[in-house]
Amino acid sequence: GQQVMQIPQYQHVQEGEDFTTYCNSSTTLSNIQWYKQRPGGHPVFLIQLVKSGEVKKQKRLTFQFGEAKKNSSLHITATQTTDVGTYFCAGKGSNTGKLIFGQGTTLQVKP
Amino acid sequence: NAGVTQTPKFQVLKTGQSMTLQCAQDMNHEYMSWYRQDPGMGLRLIHYSVGAGITDQGEVPNGYNVSRSTTEDFPLRLLSAAPSQTSVYFCASSTQGATEAFFGQGTRLTVV
Repeated sequence: GQQVMQIPQYQHVQEGEDFTTYCNSSTTLSNIQWYKQRPGGHPVFLIQLVKSGEVKKQKRLTFQFGEAKKNSSLHITATQTTDVGTYFCAGKGSNTGKLIFGQGTTLQVKP
Repeated sequence: NAGVTQTPKFQVLKTGQSMTLQCAQDMNHEYMSWYRQDPGMGLRLIHYSVGAGITDQGEVPNGYNVSRSTTEDFPLRLLSAAPSQTSVYFCASSTQGATEAFFGQGTRLTVV
């Protein structure tokens, strides 16, 4: 079945450093979504990528969708303490309505 | 705007007990799903529904039942709780198209 793998599991950075998390699917995706979960909270939608090779930016966050629509990445430039949390990618398969999440990357930022 | 409402927020069960986790949404979303979250495992899909009267299994359906009699409600039933079902459970809803999912606040379940 469809599987979504995400690395790394944890990342500790100094405030101001950059951060990247990577997501890979075992199957071609119709789209990929990214979510952020603050400690003790619930996942909150950040963005959706649909097109092959798509790149989207939200302030310091840059999201990419691979050409084969099987991988994606989230890059944060100059991290801040407010970026702390767990970032999840979630893929929806081309032939299924299921939204499958990766394991998440937990980001810690030292001030 | 209530969004997605889950009840209860916390629950402790004894092994073998049954219970129902409630999930309701007021956004007229067709698609609803249940996930469980365990440390290092991310969010794993238990069951999902694409509309009233239609349900399907996710990645980890064993030990859980669902039904979807109305668009608004999607309860998750544990027939005989086991310690392995100790987890945080999230309900989510979205429109039928490939759009963002809205999550409830979660239910923290402990089975002793």
